[in-house]
Amino acid sequence: AQTVTQSQPEMSVQEAETVTLSCTYDTSESDYYLFWYKQPPSRQMILVIRQEAYKQQNATENRFSVNFQKAAKSFSLKISDSQLGDAAMYFCAYRSSINTGNQFYFGTGTSLTVIP
Amino acid sequence: DSGVTQTPKHLITATGQRVTLRCSPRSGDLSVYWYQQSLDQGLQFLIQYYNGEERAKGNILERFSAQQFPDLHSELNLSSLELGDSALYFCASSVGYGGRGYEQYFGPGTRLTVT
Repeated sequence: AQTVTQSQPEMSVQEAETVTLSCTYDTSESDYYLFWYKQPPSRQMILVIRQEAYKQQNATENRFSVNFQKAAKSFSLKISDSQLGDAAMYFCAYRSSINTGNQFYFGTGTSLTVIP
Repeated sequence: DSGVTQTPKHLITATGQRVTLRCSPRSGDLSVYWYQQSLDQGLQFLIQYYNGEERAKGNILERFSAQQFPDLHSELNLSSLELGDSALYFCASSVGYGGRGYEQYFGPGTRLTVT
């Protein structure tokens, strides 16, 4: 089974600064999807950004961008101009694109604190 | 609001009991997924249904079972509950399964506490 590793249990950033959250994964597949989800204290899972492995261009969504290194199996999330509302648990997730169950494999998460 | 609903929001029960968690997918979505999130852990995939049929099974205990009904809502049944079953249980839905482009939308979760 695919594994997703987030090696930073906790990170902190000053408001308005930039922070990068790391994620690595292990797979033998060549086509797949990668995601970053945000889980605030409300516990709702909120999709932040997604990346298709077949696309070389890194995905961006406003202040959120990724650095996708397919050969290195690395998928980091960069948050620019950090805001207090960005404080949350962030989960990296992998999903296969082959015609199987399509379930997510999640990392253990990184808790992000934003310091005013 | 993702459009996925889960009931109840909170559930407190005793060891050895049985509970049922309910999920209604977004309108038009045929796939339902169940995930378990234990304290300070990532989400673990339990099981997936597509249009009433089981499509994939993850680390789901034999004491747990699920089904998807003709109206596409799904229920997760947890029996002979143990303290370690205390967790947040998420349901997610998507239009289809496999292949490309099927986003999963998560419900708000059901928090189960076993005492």
